[in-house]
Amino acid sequence: KQEVTQIPAALSVPEGENLVLNCSFTDSAIYNLQWFRQDPGKGLTSLLLIQSSQREQTSGRLNASLDKSSGRSTLYIAASQPGDSATYLCAVKSSNTGKLIFGQGTTLQVKP
Amino acid sequence: ETGVTQTPRHLVMGMTNKKSLKCEQHLGHNAMYWYKQSAKKPLELMFVYSLEERVENNSVPSRFSPECPNSSHLFLHLHTLQPEDSALYLCASSQESSGTYNEQFFGPGTRLTVL
Repeated sequence: KQEVTQIPAALSVPEGENLVLNCSFTDSAIYNLQWFRQDPGKGLTSLLLIQSSQREQTSGRLNASLDKSSGRSTLYIAASQPGDSATYLCAVKSSNTGKLIFGQGTTLQVKP
Repeated sequence: ETGVTQTPRHLVMGMTNKKSLKCEQHLGHNAMYWYKQSAKKPLELMFVYSLEERVENNSVPSRFSPECPNSSHLFLHLHTLQPEDSALYLCASSQESSGTYNEQFFGPGTRLTVL
């Protein structure tokens, strides 16, 4: 059974810092991995999607990497801003079931 | 309207009420999903519809009844809910085709409180 774990559960950093969020998954049989952002009480916004054949994706200050063999992904945020404060969710699409399996998220606070 | 929309955004209902959640996607996708997000738990997939047919029912209690009248609309009919059903209900859509698994786009969610 695929399980997705995100560490840390919460993170607080001063504005301007570079930071890394971690995601690990137990089954390497995945089609893709997706990083989302969720603001309190709101829906999910897709940030980056990495296909299983890819190693990384970049969008602006965000860079996501994928190491399928070790079951790990990282989301790197450069020059963090208070507006980056949100919960970041990692999800993998299982190639066995086709389902999107989510981690519990990392809640990020960027202090001015 | 663009993307995925959900109505209502907030809903408070008693255990004996019947209500419906609505989701509409304007992206031309062929698959739609209902997820439940409870406090301190990962998102849980409830139902999947592909080409208007239900392809996934993730052991959801019968008090939740989905309906997909066409590829753009998805409903979740609720009746005799329990307080533990209080959660954020999220709708998503994606374009699925053989061998290609694309990203899911989510709506803003309906915050449901069952009294």
